[in-house]
Amino acid sequence: GAGVSQSPSNKVTEKGKDVELRCDPISGHTALYWYRQRLGQGLEFLIYFQGNSAPDKSGLPSDRFSAERTGESVSTLTIQRTQQEDSAVYLCASSLPSNSYEQYFGPGTRLTVT
Amino acid sequence: GQSLEQPSEVTAVEGAIVQINCTYQTSGFYGLSWYQQHDGGAPTFLSYNALDGLEETGRFSSFLSRSDSYGYLLLQELQMKDSASYFCAVTVNTGFQKLVFGTGTRLLVSP
Repeated sequence: GAGVSQSPSNKVTEKGKDVELRCDPISGHTALYWYRQRLGQGLEFLIYFQGNSAPDKSGLPSDRFSAERTGESVSTLTIQRTQQEDSAVYLCASSLPSNSYEQYFGPGTRLTVT
Repeated sequence: GQSLEQPSEVTAVEGAIVQINCTYQTSGFYGLSWYQQHDGGAPTFLSYNALDGLEETGRFSSFLSRSDSYGYLLLQELQMKDSASYFCAVTVNTGFQKLVFGTGTRLLVSP
């Protein structure tokens, strides 16, 4: 596609429910990243994919968070048993593997846990 | 670990020049990037410095001093549309290259 797309754009869920966030990267971008951004804060790295493997999951805050990627395409970030502190914007980015400094971001999913 | 420091907020008037500084402490440093993010929008890439010196892209320039672990983004001929948050980010190698972002500088441009 022309850019990185994410869905849904907004998600309101009740505490304790599971949510799935989707990211569709730019075609040909084998590197894919997930970040979390709380209101007024910086970008917090969550996980990095190269192809469909995840060599760095160090940013996942707890075992309630998981992610997978199908081939060099769509990725899904799953949050189980959501908590209010999970409320944030979840951003996905993609890049060419040799150009990790230049990442292209999607519009994000705004997650609100009530 | 890695840490980056940048001012939380900078204000300026239209037509002025503003400099946003970034200092970092990191291992495996490869380079320094700058991203712009408007309220409610996605971060967009502005510039990247791997070597010491100044890189110019239109009204924006970015500088890096590796020996001082310091860089800055220079915005000239400020326009109202430049009001946004600006993030510096270091590329580090932890077995692979990844970006570590600073906390961002909010730039407010007034008429």
